[in-house]
Amino acid sequence: GQQVMQIPQYQHVQEGEDFTTYCNSSTTLSNIQWYKQRPGGHPVFLIQLVKSGEVKKQKRLTFQFGEAKKNSSLHITATQTTDVGTYFCAGPRSSNTGKLIFGQGTTLQVKP
Amino acid sequence: DTGVSQDPRHKITKRGQNVTFRCDPISEHNRLYWYRQTLGQGPEFLTYFQNEAQLEKSRLLSDRFSAERPKGSFSTLEIQRTEQGDSAMYLCASKHGTSGRTDTQYFGPGTRLTVL
Repeated sequence: GQQVMQIPQYQHVQEGEDFTTYCNSSTTLSNIQWYKQRPGGHPVFLIQLVKSGEVKKQKRLTFQFGEAKKNSSLHITATQTTDVGTYFCAGPRSSNTGKLIFGQGTTLQVKP
Repeated sequence: DTGVSQDPRHKITKRGQNVTFRCDPISEHNRLYWYRQTLGQGPEFLTYFQNEAQLEKSRLLSDRFSAERPKGSFSTLEIQRTEQGDSAMYLCASKHGTSGRTDTQYFGPGTRLTVL
């Protein structure tokens, strides 16, 4: 079945360093979404990418959707302690149901 | 606060007991999803409703699980004869519209279930 994989599973960085997480789907996606989950919290929607090759920025966060619409990345510039959490990518199982298939997430730890 | 609420936030129960969770979605959202999340994993789809109709159930949803959304508003998820493997966070999410291009789902805070 459809799978969404993320690497790395964990990343520890020093505050101020950059961070990147990568997401790969076994199938072409109509769109890809990114969520952030703080420790003890629930997933919070960050962004949705729809177009092939699309790049979107949110302050220090840069999101990219691959040309083949099967991979995506999230890059954080100059991490801060507030960036701590687990970042999930998710793709729709089919465009009719809206059901999301999540990656296993990348947990980011930031040392002050 | 996304506007999706879940109750209770935590539930501890003994193996074999039945539990029921409630989700109140954002009021104008006609789609409601249930997911299960275990430690170190992403949320896994369980089932979803469009209005009051349950349109899809995952193979993860055994016969001990049942979900309802009787009036197309709030939803309940019941687990009968709980097992220790049911321990997880149960997340509810809601979404507006039927277009696949607007798949943004808003998650509630979740119900953390611990089966002893």
